[in-house]
Amino acid sequence: QKEVEQNSGPLSVPEGAIASLNCTYSDRVSQSFFWYRQYSGKSPELIMSIYSNGDKEDGRFTAQLNKASQYVSLLIRDSQPSDSATYLCADARGSGNTPLVFGKGTRLSVIA
Amino acid sequence: GAVVSQHPSRVICKSGTSVKIECRSLDFQATTMFWYRQFPKQSLMLMATSNEGSKATYEQGVEKDKFLINHASLTLSTLTVTSAHPEDSSFYICSARDRRNEKLFFGSGTQLSVL
Repeated sequence: QKEVEQNSGPLSVPEGAIASLNCTYSDRVSQSFFWYRQYSGKSPELIMSIYSNGDKEDGRFTAQLNKASQYVSLLIRDSQPSDSATYLCADARGSGNTPLVFGKGTRLSVIA
Repeated sequence: GAVVSQHPSRVICKSGTSVKIECRSLDFQATTMFWYRQFPKQSLMLMATSNEGSKATYEQGVEKDKFLINHASLTLSTLTVTSAHPEDSSFYICSARDRRNEKLFFGSGTQLSVL
C-alpha cells in the first residue's frame, strides 16, 4: 500500500514563529503534491500545490518538495492563532479520474 | 480557485429515512467526483469515485446499495444515503478535480445526524 505519512501532532508553536509541517510519500511516480487546511467541523481547503523540486512561496506559506528524498513540507511564517487547524498533505498519482492520497493530517496549534 | 458547491450543509433525520446530498462544480467540468466521509477527530475516508455517465467505483467496505451515487452530468453528482441509521451519522464531503491543473477542490460538507 502506497502511503502518505504525516506526524499527527499536535504541533504547538508560539504566535509569530515559523511552523514547519512535514510529509513523506512512498510512491515514486507521484508528481503533484498538495497541502490542505481543515478547521474543525469544516471541509478541507486547498492552500498550496507544488509540482517541481524546490520551494514555492505564496504569502506566508512556503511549500518545499524533494522528490529524491520523497519529502514535502509546508512552512508557515509569522504563525497566527487563526492558523490553528489540521493540515493535510496529499499526492496525486494519476490523472483527474484518480483520487488524491491523503495523509492523516498534522494538528497545528498556534499559541497567542 | 474553483468552487464546488454542496447542499445541504446539515441534515437531521429519523432512522430509516433516505437523505440526498448534492455536489456541483460551479466553474469547471468534473468528469469525476469523489465522496468522502469523516468521523469526529478522524481522517478523511474515501467512500467512492463518481464517474459521469457510468457506475461509481466504491472503496472496500462501502455498501453500494446503501450509498447510491448518481453522476448524471459533468457538473452534478449526488449521494443518497438510503435507510439511514444512527451509525451513518457523519460528515460527508464531496470533491471534484479540476483537470486543467489537477487540483482537488472540496465542497463545504454535509453534517448528517440520524436520530
